[in-house]
Amino acid sequence: SQQGEEDPQALSIQEGENATMNCSYKTSINNLQWYRQNSGRGLVHLILIRSNEREKHSGRLRVTLDTSKKSSSLLITASRAADTASYFCSYFSGGYNKLIFGAGTRLAVHP
Amino acid sequence: DGGITQSPKYLFRKEGQNVTLSCEQNLNHDAMYWYRQDPGQGLRLIYYSQIVNDFQKGDIAEGYSVSREKKESFPLTVTSAQKNPTAFYLCASSPLQGDYYGYTFGSGTRLTVV
Repeated sequence: SQQGEEDPQALSIQEGENATMNCSYKTSINNLQWYRQNSGRGLVHLILIRSNEREKHSGRLRVTLDTSKKSSSLLITASRAADTASYFCSYFSGGYNKLIFGAGTRLAVHP
Repeated sequence: DGGITQSPKYLFRKEGQNVTLSCEQNLNHDAMYWYRQDPGQGLRLIYYSQIVNDFQKGDIAEGYSVSREKKESFPLTVTSAQKNPTAFYLCASSPLQGDYYGYTFGSGTRLTVV
């Protein structure tokens, strides 16, 4: 399977703590993207990191990419209850028109 | 506001029935996609289209059909040949160079067989 894998599958933390999610993939990539999905809703694009980048920031989000290990991580700093959602990494395989998604990490942030 | 609209939000299908899920976008995106999501799993690609009147099968196209008569619209029909259609269906769109941009997703349609 070309599907990526997120780790952990579920994460439960308190407000104010940092949350780290990891993603491993199996093919060479041009970029890797992270999405967020609130329960029963569509996905929202969070951040895209290109294969020639090692780290990227957007607000409280920090994404790293290690192409030698075929892995990426998403760090959410100072988490809030509103960050409770599932987070998916995704990347293109077999051309730009096949965006592959992992099974996601379910994050629960408790007040 | 530009966006992508899926309807209905909830849909119930009887055994042997065909049902059609609507997806409309006003983002002027060339490419549109349909994904299926089962509980606790990632998204699997059903069909995609890069241009009007053309579309390609994704990884799980059996039991589904699509059309792309207008740039804005990409409806998905779940046919009676789809034996396990209960799932959450997501439509997405992107510029043609989707590799350099994120996808924009609709809010989804939850289909249940009754």
